[in-house]
Amino acid sequence: QKEVEQDPGPLSVPEGAIVSLNCTYSNSAFQYFMWYRQYSRKGPELLMYTYSSGNKEDGRFTAQVDKSSKYISLFIRDSQPSDSATYLCAMSDRAPSGGSYIPTFGRGTSLIVHP
Amino acid sequence: DAGVTQSPTHLIKTRGQQVTLRCSPKSGHDTVSWYQQALGQGPQFIFQYYEEEERQRGNFPDRFSGHQFPNYSSELNVNALLLGDSALYLCASSLVSREGGGAFFGQGTRLTVV
Repeated sequence: QKEVEQDPGPLSVPEGAIVSLNCTYSNSAFQYFMWYRQYSRKGPELLMYTYSSGNKEDGRFTAQVDKSSKYISLFIRDSQPSDSATYLCAMSDRAPSGGSYIPTFGRGTSLIVHP
Repeated sequence: DAGVTQSPTHLIKTRGQQVTLRCSPKSGHDTVSWYQQALGQGPQFIFQYYEEEERQRGNFPDRFSGHQFPNYSSELNVNALLLGDSALYLCASSLVSREGGGAFFGQGTRLTVV
C-alpha cells in the first residue's frame, strides 16, 4: 500500500460543476497538507496549503483535512475549462533538523472541465 | 520576482551517457530539492540540499548526485543513464526556517534517454 493514494481519473465534468478531489493516506505523522495543480508538461503549482485538520478557503477552492480518517479533499466551485489539469495532493511530516520538509505526493487526478 | 528556473527544458541523451541539470531557486529561498516524475505518476523525491550539503535523500542509486552552490543554485547529475531514467526532473525551492508552507517548483527538465 502506498503512503498516499489518489485516484488517477480522468474526472470529466461540465463547466460550472462543483468538483471534489480526494486523497487518503496511511502515515499518521503527516501534518502538512498541500494541493498542487499541474498543467501538461509544466511543473506543479502550489494551490492550497493546510496545517493539521480543518478547512481552508481561497476563492473558488476549498481544502479539507480530516486527520482522524486520514482523508483530504479539494473542492472547486464553478469549475472552468481553464481548471483542466492534473491535481496532486501532497503531505509531509515535520522537517528534520538541518533540512526542510519533504512532501510525499499522490499520483495525481486528471480533471477535464468541458464547456 | 523570478520563480524557480530550470535549464535546459528538454534534453535527449544516449544510454550510458552522463547528464547535468541546473536549477536556480526562488529569490529568498535557501533549500533546493530534486524530484523525478515519470509519466502518470507523482513526483518522487531524489535529494535535498541546504547549506551546500545533501541533507536528505530518497530511494535513488548513487548514480544520482548533486551539488549546491553558495548562491543557493543547484545541479543534478546522473551518470550511466538508463532508459528508465527518462522522466520530467523537477527542482523545488523552499525556506528551511519556514515549517511546512509548500515548496515552489520549476517548470522541469524533460529528459529522454534513447
